[in-house]
Amino acid sequence: KAGVTQTPRYLIKTRGQQVTLSCSPISGHRSVSWYQQTPGQGLQFLFEYFSETQRNKGNFPGRFSGRQFSNSRSEMNVSTLELGDSALYLCASSTGTGGFSDNSPLHFGNGTRLTVT
Amino acid sequence: DAKTTQPNSMESNEEEPVHLPCNHSTISGTDYIHWYRQLPSQGPEYVIHGLTSNVNNRMASLAIAEDRKSSTLILHRATLRDAAVYYCILRDDKIIFGKGTRLHILP
Repeated sequence: KAGVTQTPRYLIKTRGQQVTLSCSPISGHRSVSWYQQTPGQGLQFLFEYFSETQRNKGNFPGRFSGRQFSNSRSEMNVSTLELGDSALYLCASSTGTGGFSDNSPLHFGNGTRLTVT
Repeated sequence: DAKTTQPNSMESNEEEPVHLPCNHSTISGTDYIHWYRQLPSQGPEYVIHGLTSNVNNRMASLAIAEDRKSSTLILHRATLRDAAVYYCILRDDKIIFGKGTRLHILP
């Protein structure tokens, strides 16, 4: 069974631009969550989706948004990029429904490395 | 803020057992304890999870204190491939990761 696929693997953007990252979950997984990983802040939760609905959101500005499609694939968008948005963006899928009391293990992709210059 | 506390780093010799501690004193009755590890240049990988009883799988064992305020991930026989950052998290609605423990394996 194929794992979580994230595209592109690497991305370089200029400050002020916007970017869209894609995540294809494991077949049959309907919950997708996104994380930002930086050396200083570690792994930070962005948001979680189940059945095209956002179940939870972390403490990130409104420039960070996401969506989930009917086939469970998900995208996240960052508008008006800042230098501080340079990070590894990770997506995870699970068999659960997301939200509180969901204890299903998370399966992560290898991330998209975004560099903002 | 992370709900768990882990040592920043640990060292172990190859082929010896490793005990990775995690404190979670504010755990609630319904929080499951999850462990993940992240190898260089990869996304985190699920290792094990549990609620109250000790758990075993092919990768590791999870020992949970009776009061559930701490837990220990046990790698029974460490190999060089186990060198990674290990994260202990409480599976809650916002899935908060701490800084984890960087495990170094000495050959």
